[in-house]
Amino acid sequence: GQQVMQIPQYQHVQEGEDFTTYCNSSTTLSNIQWYKQRPGGHPVFLIQLVKSGEVKKQKRLTFQFGEAKKNSSLHITATQTTDVGTYFCAPNSGGYQKVTFGTGTKLQVIP
Amino acid sequence: SQTIHQWPATLVQPVGSPLSLECTVEGTSNPNLYWYRQAAGRGLQLLFYSVGIGQISSEVPQNLSASRPQDRQFILSSKKLLLSDSGFYLCAWSLAQAGGAEYFGPGTRLTVL
Repeated sequence: GQQVMQIPQYQHVQEGEDFTTYCNSSTTLSNIQWYKQRPGGHPVFLIQLVKSGEVKKQKRLTFQFGEAKKNSSLHITATQTTDVGTYFCAPNSGGYQKVTFGTGTKLQVIP
Repeated sequence: SQTIHQWPATLVQPVGSPLSLECTVEGTSNPNLYWYRQAAGRGLQLLFYSVGIGQISSEVPQNLSASRPQDRQFILSSKKLLLSDSGFYLCAWSLAQAGGAEYFGPGTRLTVL
């Protein structure tokens, strides 16, 4: 079955530094989604990547989908305290009505 | 626009008591519906999902059950709660297509004592 590894598990950065989390799958993916969960809150959908090598940007967030469609990354430029939270990837291998969430990367931004 | 409601927001229940959590979605038809559980500081564990009325798929064997009596209503139940049932319960919906984005409700924090 599909195995998903998300790294790192935790990351502490100084405000203004960059941050990257990676999601790696053992199988080729149909698409991948990214979610953000603020402390005490619920996961919020950020974006979905579908095409091989796709790159999408949302302000300071850059999402990439690997050429082989087996991995993805989320990069935040110049982190702010509002970026604090846990970022989950949710890869989908296709043919299912559900996604599988990664283990998440917890980001702490030090002011 | 679509909205998803969950209640109650918090719940404290004794071991062995029953449980009923309700989730309703507005503004869409025939959504896929999901129940997740999240232990403190941990990831999301899919418990149940439903692609239609009366259709429930269970992901993890446990003392919980789910029902979908109406198109936009999803209920999570237990006859007897265990201590290990404590956690943050999240309902989510997605459009009826494979791998669609999931939209989460505010969640219910359940503490079993």
